Amino acid sequence: GQQLNQSPQSMFIQEGEDVSMNCTSSSIFNTWLWYKQDPGEGPVLLIALYKAGELTSNGRLTAQFGITRKDSFLNISASIPSDVGIYFCAGIILTGGGNKLTFGTGTQLKVEL
Amino acid sequence: EAGVAQSPRYKIIEKRQSVAFWCNPISGHATLYWYQQILGQGPKLLIQFQNNGVVDDSQLPKDRFSAERLKGVDSTLKIQPAKLEDSAVYLCASTPLTAGGLYEQFFGPGTRLTVL
Repeated sequence: GQQLNQSPQSMFIQEGEDVSMNCTSSSIFNTWLWYKQDPGEGPVLLIALYKAGELTSNGRLTAQFGITRKDSFLNISASIPSDVGIYFCAGIILTGGGNKLTFGTGTQLKVEL
Repeated sequence: EAGVAQSPRYKIIEKRQSVAFWCNPISGHATLYWYQQILGQGPKLLIQFQNNGVVDDSQLPKDRFSAERLKGVDSTLKIQPAKLEDSAVYLCASTPLTAGGLYEQFFGPGTRLTVL
C-alpha cells in the first residue's frame, strides 16, 4: 500500500520561529490534507489542498500541493506554545467506493518558550 | 453541533479477551470510518461505512475484528480475541455525503486500548 513519509520526525523550536515540515509519497494523490493531533484527541483538519501546485494559507499556516502530486509541505510562521502537537499529512485517492485517506508518519512539534 | 462521540475512552483487557468500542457520528453524516492508531504512527483505516453498507474493509483483520452499523447511525467495532499487538487508539471519524466528495473527516477523541 501507499506510504507517506514525513520529515522531520520531531522538532524542538523556539517560540516565534518559523517551522517547515514535508511529506513525500511513492504514489500520486488527488488531494493532500494536513491534520494536527493533540494528546488524547483525534486529528483536526488544518488545511486541504485539491490540485497540483496549489498554495493555501490558514492564518499562520501555509501548505502547498507538490507539482508532481507526490509531495506536500506545511509551514507555520511565528510559532506559539499552542502549536505543540503532532502534525500529520494525509493523501486521498479517489476510488469508486469513496475517498481513501492514507496518513503519514507524523511530525512532533515541541515549542520552547 | 456535537462532535463524534466515542466510548469508552480507555479500556484495559488481557489477551484473548473480547472488547467492543462504540461510535456515534455527527448527526446526518452518512459516512463513518474506523481507524487504528498505534503509538508513534499515523491512523490506519480499518473500515469505511456509507450509511449501513461497507465501502472498504480491505485492511480489517477479519479473523478477529468485526464492525457493524446496523441502522446507518451508530457503529460498533469488536475485537475477539484480542492480541497484544492490538494495543492502540481506535479512532472513529465521519463525513457528510456530498455529490462532489467531501474530504474533511471529523474525528472523535478515540478509545485507548491496552492489551496485557
